[in-house]
Parts: sequence; C-alpha cells; structure tokens
Amino acid sequence: DTGVSQNPRHKITKRGQNVTFRCDPISEHNRLYWYRQTLGQGPEFLTYFQNEAQLEKSRLLSDRFSAERPKGSFSTLEIQRTEQGDSAMYLCASSFSGEGNQPQHFGDGTRLSIL
Amino acid sequence: AQSVAQPEDQVNVAEGNPLTVKCTYSVSGNPYLFWYVQYPNRGLQFLLKYITGDNLVKGSYGFEAEFNKSQTSFHLKKPSALVSDSALYFCAVRADTGGFKTIFGAGTRLFVKA
Repeated sequence: DTGVSQNPRHKITKRGQNVTFRCDPISEHNRLYWYRQTLGQGPEFLTYFQNEAQLEKSRLLSDRFSAERPKGSFSTLEIQRTEQGDSAMYLCASSFSGEGNQPQHFGDGTRLSIL
Repeated sequence: AQSVAQPEDQVNVAEGNPLTVKCTYSVSGNPYLFWYVQYPNRGLQFLLKYITGDNLVKGSYGFEAEFNKSQTSFHLKKPSALVSDSALYFCAVRADTGGFKTIFGAGTRLFVKA
C-alpha cells in the first residue's frame, strides 16, 4: 500500500490559465473522490468515480471543471480559465467498494494559487 | 439534506487529561459516520468509523467515539491526551439512502498543552 499520490503538490498560475492535477489512487481501490478544501473549512465534495464511471458531481463543479478516470486507475481534474476563487487545496481520496462505511484514504493534496 | 456541525473551532486540553471533540449530524436515513485527522499540509487520515450496533467504537491512536442516536451525535474522545494529538479533526457523514457524497464538518483544532 503506497498510498494515494497527487501531483503536483503545489501549482501557481495566472488567472485565466488552465491547470490539470493528477491523482493515483491505491491500486486495489475502485472508488475515487475529488474534494476542494479552503482555509478553515472541511473538504467539499466535488465528484466521485466508481472505476471509470463518474457517478456523481457536485453543483460546485462548474462547467470550467472536468474530471476523468479513463481506465479506472488514475484520475485527472482540470480547471479551465482559472479564477481567483479557485485558489484552494484539491484533495483526492480512494476507497474500496462495498459497504458505505468504507473509509477514504486521502492524498496530500495539490495546493492551487491563482495570481 | 446532510449536514455536520462541529460546534467548537478549537479545543484546548492539558496533556494527560481526557479530551472530547463534539460532532452532531443530520441525515436522511441511517448514517455512516467517520472521524479523520489532518496535520499541516497533509491530507486527511482516517481515525475511526461508526459500526451499526456499537455505541462506543474504538479507532487508531487510542481514540474512540460515542454514538448517540437520539442526540444525533458522534463525539470523539480520548482518555489521556498527548501533545502529538494536536491537529485538526473532522467529523464526516454519509447517508445510507444512496449516493456517494460525504459531508465533512468545518473541523475542530485540538491543542494539547504539555
């Protein structure tokens, strides 16, 4: 178990640019989640994958945000035309499927700063 | 709609004393409940989860949580706090009525003084 890996750890970009983050989940896990966390807040759910299928999306995920998990392994989260309000920590988590009380294993996140 | 409330932004406790971090929840259906801990610039680490039928569940690092259905609470406890327990703690809930969305509280910062 090498844990959930997220890259890059930090991303600084100018407003209006596009950014893409990558998440490599624990290999045995078929569930993958994306969250956004701002300072002083808990993680906010963005989207969820079961294998390669994106099964749920938050209304927080505007049309500038897109997530993929093409082969049911790693996932990418892209933000187009970034805005100041997109500055946050983006967290990825994975879990086993099965009962709903499977705990999620989190990566260390990608911190996005918009200049 | 699901919601989680952690009424205390910060909890201060002396090392060796018992600690409690409070959490109340609202969910349609039966809840799946979790506690996670976060250290600076790190992701969240799973501490423990509610198991149906067990009102007191034990987790990692000596933490336990008490489930109270009538009060819709799931408070995190530890009999004897350590300085190394100082961190940010999150309570989370997910409904068993379908869907995969997990709702996290705003977090409680625990400060353990030596």
